[in-house]
Amino acid sequence: AQSVTQLDSQVPVFEEAPVELRCNYSSSVSVYLFWYVQYPNQGLQLLLKYLSGSTLVKGINGFEAEFNKSQTSFHLRKPSVHISDTAEYFCAVYTGGFKTIFGAGTRLFVKA
Amino acid sequence: DAGITQSPRYKITETGRQVTLMCHQTWSHSYMFWYRQDLGHGLRLIYYSAAADITDKGEVPDGYVVSRSKTENFPLTLESATRSQTSVYFCASSGAGPKDYGYTFGSGTRLTVV
Repeated sequence: AQSVTQLDSQVPVFEEAPVELRCNYSSSVSVYLFWYVQYPNQGLQLLLKYLSGSTLVKGINGFEAEFNKSQTSFHLRKPSVHISDTAEYFCAVYTGGFKTIFGAGTRLFVKA
Repeated sequence: DAGITQSPRYKITETGRQVTLMCHQTWSHSYMFWYRQDLGHGLRLIYYSAAADITDKGEVPDGYVVSRSKTENFPLTLESATRSQTSVYFCASSGAGPKDYGYTFGSGTRLTVV
């Protein structure tokens, strides 16, 4: 069965520090990977996606993610975070048949 | 306003009652989805629809009913609410399919069943 594992439930970090949110997936078919962000009391917003091509994907708000097929990972990174990046981040993999599996989420908490 | 709108934002209902959560989108997206979000589980798919009058079950469909008579509306009904259905419900849409474009989500409905 396909699955998505977000390795950290919470990540505290100081403002202007770099951050990496880790995501591993299992899939027996071609992978289509996504990261979403959820701000408090809001729905999820698409940050970036990997469909094919370059393994380094750039998204909105200065985030990027790297697809690593051999390690079945799709980690999200940002070189310098802001207070406004405090949110919950979800990794997701499209599994076919219009269905997507979401990870349990990583809560990023940026401290001043 | 353009977008995807869910109503109500908050709802408290009693066990055994029927409740309907509304979802309306203005983009004429073909695909619409209902997810529930529970702590530690991420999002789980309840039902989805590929077009008007075409719906199918997701991962956790039991106790829920959907309809899609018009492209823009995709209501979710809990036939007889149970406490285990206390959750945050998100409606989402996708124009050409979630594989290529991901989803656009509504702001959610927080449902409490007492």
